[in-house]
Amino acid sequence: AQKITQTQPGMFVQEKEAVTLDCTYDTSDPSYGLFWYKQPSSGEMIFLIYQGSYDQQNATEGRYSLNFQKARKSANLVISASQLGDSAMYFCAMREGGSARQLTFGSGTQLTVLP
Amino acid sequence: EPEVTQTPSHQVTQMGQEVILRCVPISNHLYFYWYRQILGQKVEFLVSFYNNEISEKSEIFDDQFSVERPDGSNFTLKIRSTKLEDSAMYFCASSDASYTDTQYFGPGTRLTVL
Repeated sequence: AQKITQTQPGMFVQEKEAVTLDCTYDTSDPSYGLFWYKQPSSGEMIFLIYQGSYDQQNATEGRYSLNFQKARKSANLVISASQLGDSAMYFCAMREGGSARQLTFGSGTQLTVLP
Repeated sequence: EPEVTQTPSHQVTQMGQEVILRCVPISNHLYFYWYRQILGQKVEFLVSFYNNEISEKSEIFDDQFSVERPDGSNFTLKIRSTKLEDSAMYFCASSDASYTDTQYFGPGTRLTVL
């Protein structure tokens, strides 16, 4: 079974609008971390936001916020006031607890911001 | 702001040749990683490294691969005998073992095997 599922291969949003990128995850470990990374066309992986499984509040970082619904095992990324520079591939990733530190990535969502 | 650096940015090699990809992790970080991304696919974990030894590796990381921290700053990935299917973007990452233990990625090395 997929550990990280991103069901939206591509999304379009109008500049200045908000957009939600979906991510669901599968783990039986009570301790885990969820990450979102942005990959522009230039190829680098840029860390955006982190949510821990025990965190009481949804994470926020500037225009990025994470809609964390633990019971539904979803960790959707919300980008507010989209900018043209937000056009990129977005990856959701999970690190499960214990000594393992590897990240498991989803297949990504290609976001295009329209002027 | 500290960042992970990788060299070269692009490497072209012939099948069967050895390649070494180099990374300089963020200086106070303790854990180092290699991931790869075949064109158009998801990012895949290869190996993690801590305290001068491998702490985890994936099924992809077979005997053709090795990692080394030859000095206090560099972290290398060696592929002994490259195959066509090794063509991919290779990312180095590092983390500081903090509460979030966020992994920060380098810009990647695009490896093309001909």
